[in-house]
Amino acid sequence: AQKITQTQPGMFVQEKEAVTLDCTYDTSDQSYGLFWYKQPSSGEMIFLIYQGSYDEQNATEGRYSLNFQKARKSANLVISASQLGDSAMYFCAMREGSTNAGKSTFGDGTTLTVKP
Amino acid sequence: DVKVTQSSRYLVKRTGEKVFLECVQDMDHENMFWYRQDPGLGLRLIYFSYDVKMKEKGDIPEGYSVSREKKERFSLILESASTNQTSMYLCASRLARANEKLFFGSGTQLSVL
Repeated sequence: AQKITQTQPGMFVQEKEAVTLDCTYDTSDQSYGLFWYKQPSSGEMIFLIYQGSYDEQNATEGRYSLNFQKARKSANLVISASQLGDSAMYFCAMREGSTNAGKSTFGDGTTLTVKP
Repeated sequence: DVKVTQSSRYLVKRTGEKVFLECVQDMDHENMFWYRQDPGLGLRLIYFSYDVKMKEKGDIPEGYSVSREKKERFSLILESASTNQTSMYLCASRLARANEKLFFGSGTQLSVL
């Protein structure tokens, strides 16, 4: 069974508007971490934001925020005030467990296109 | 500046060849990973290593092996390359703490003909 599900293969948003990219996950661990990465057309992977399973507050990093709903096992990325440079592939990832041997699993990604 | 370096950006090999993909990190990270990225399939974990000489199978280890003899280097080996191993291969590393992000190399686009 897929551990990370991103149901939106592609999304469009108008410049300066907000957009939400969906991510649901599946784990039986109590301790885990959720990450979002951005991959522009250049191919580099850029870390955006992190949420720990025990964090009570939603993570925020500048224009990025993570809407974490633990009971629903969802960790949606919200980008406020979209810019043309936000056009990229976005990946949700999960690290399971709290030991030093936890692996990281990725979703299939969502391609975001920001329209001028 | 932290760095994960993959030895080749593009590689073309023949079916049946033994292929080595090398990854080196200069951040003293304990954990290292090999992923392959295919359109519509996201990043799939092939193998990871949580310390020197330690390795764990990921989700798609078949047809691959790995080696981690030194902390900074993690090698992916295709014992007998096949056309279905044509893909983008990404190496990543991180510190062995729960909230640590992955640092990625720039990737190796491997074509097996």
